[in-house]
Amino acid sequence: TQLLEQSPQFLSIQEGENLTVYCNSSSVFSSLQWYRQEPGEGPVLLVTVVTGGEVKKLKRLTFQFGDARKDSSLHITAAQPGDTGLYLCAGEGQAGTALIFGKGTTLSVSS
Amino acid sequence: EPEVTQTPSHQVTQMGQEVILRCVPISNHLYFYWYRQILGQKVEFLVSFYNNEISEKSEIFDDQFSVERPDGSNFTLKIRSTKLEDSAMYFCASTFYGYTFGSGTRLTVV
Repeated sequence: TQLLEQSPQFLSIQEGENLTVYCNSSSVFSSLQWYRQEPGEGPVLLVTVVTGGEVKKLKRLTFQFGDARKDSSLHITAAQPGDTGLYLCAGEGQAGTALIFGKGTTLSVSS
Repeated sequence: EPEVTQTPSHQVTQMGQEVILRCVPISNHLYFYWYRQILGQKVEFLVSFYNNEISEKSEIFDDQFSVERPDGSNFTLKIRSTKLEDSAMYFCASTFYGYTFGSGTRLTVV
């Protein structure tokens, strides 16, 4: 059974600080996706990483896929209160197959 | 921006009753999915649907569950005899190059 361990589960920081969220597995994934989920809403796709070692940037967010395609990280630079929310990682075994989700990281950024 | 639309947004049903959750995926997407999220827990895969048939299903998706694409646009999830533990947010998703999730249906079984 494929599992994705996401850490930390909760993160509370001050505006302007940097943070990193980790997603780890013993399994290889064809892609790793990062989502943000607001209360009462569905996950919204932020980015998909496909190639081992790939780095993608989305404004202040930097996503990295491990060389072996078993792990990924999300780094936020200079966090803002608007970054507050639930961040989920999800791995895809093969294209079109089920996503395996991590438990999520609840981020709280206070001003 | 194209959306995946789910109805109803909330459904309360009595234990043992049948419920049908509806979804309209994005029109040019090829794969359709149902996921669920029990309160406080991770998002879990239920079933995927491709080319008018189930392509993959999880252990959760037992004989009480079924999916249908009755016409060219709707994609439904039916739970035949609901149990208390079926209470959850149910998300429909569709993909072409990337996943798009709907806003979910909150199902409460009482």
